[in-house]
Amino acid sequence: ETGVTQTPRHLVMGMTNKKSLKCEQHLGHNAMYWYKQSAKKPLELMFVYSLEERVENNSVPSRFSPECPNSSHLFLHLHTLQPEDSALYLCASSQEVTRTGYEQYFGPGTRLTVT
Amino acid sequence: EDQVTQSPEALRLQEGESSSLNCSYTVSGLRGLFWYRQDPGKGPEFLFTLYSAGEEKEKERLKATLTKKESFLHITAPKPEDSATYLCAVLTGFQKLVFGTGTRLLVSP
Repeated sequence: ETGVTQTPRHLVMGMTNKKSLKCEQHLGHNAMYWYKQSAKKPLELMFVYSLEERVENNSVPSRFSPECPNSSHLFLHLHTLQPEDSALYLCASSQEVTRTGYEQYFGPGTRLTVT
Repeated sequence: EDQVTQSPEALRLQEGESSSLNCSYTVSGLRGLFWYRQDPGKGPEFLFTLYSAGEEKEKERLKATLTKKESFLHITAPKPEDSATYLCAVLTGFQKLVFGTGTRLLVSP
């Protein structure tokens, strides 16, 4: 495997289900991110993990719960979701740097449909 | 509030017809500007990073430029395989990217 991988690629779940999204990066990076992408809207940053510690939580509802057990793996645990949570969920990774910038590399995303 | 605006929302070109996409931004201290390409059903693919006004980057038929208020992605003699959504993002704070809504480009043969 190379780059950033995400599983599953597609997920349909009911509002009372519990499921998890998985992300794995094979780039040796030490920062990982969850984004939400909805139609006609910009990518929304949900969570940032740097060196396995959460450093950003953009007022995301508690029905989304991230977990970063090590620098290569990131999970997003889902429970009691709402139909408006249907979207493409993207994982990204980067190398944390203290210079002026860095690049984030994205996985293919999980298309989530909440029924 | 940090904001990124991309225009046009959609652009249709004939193969070989050059054009430019615009990304304007208002941020409290630009640390970098990024261009991504996104194909349907896939995650964004990194293209360029620009750090300071006057900087330019090129890759095949694409050229990105940066001023103090906006960035342009110039597409020279595009081909149908250049059809995609092009996303612009700015780095404002600690590892935080703010994205625009993108420009959907369709290149017809």
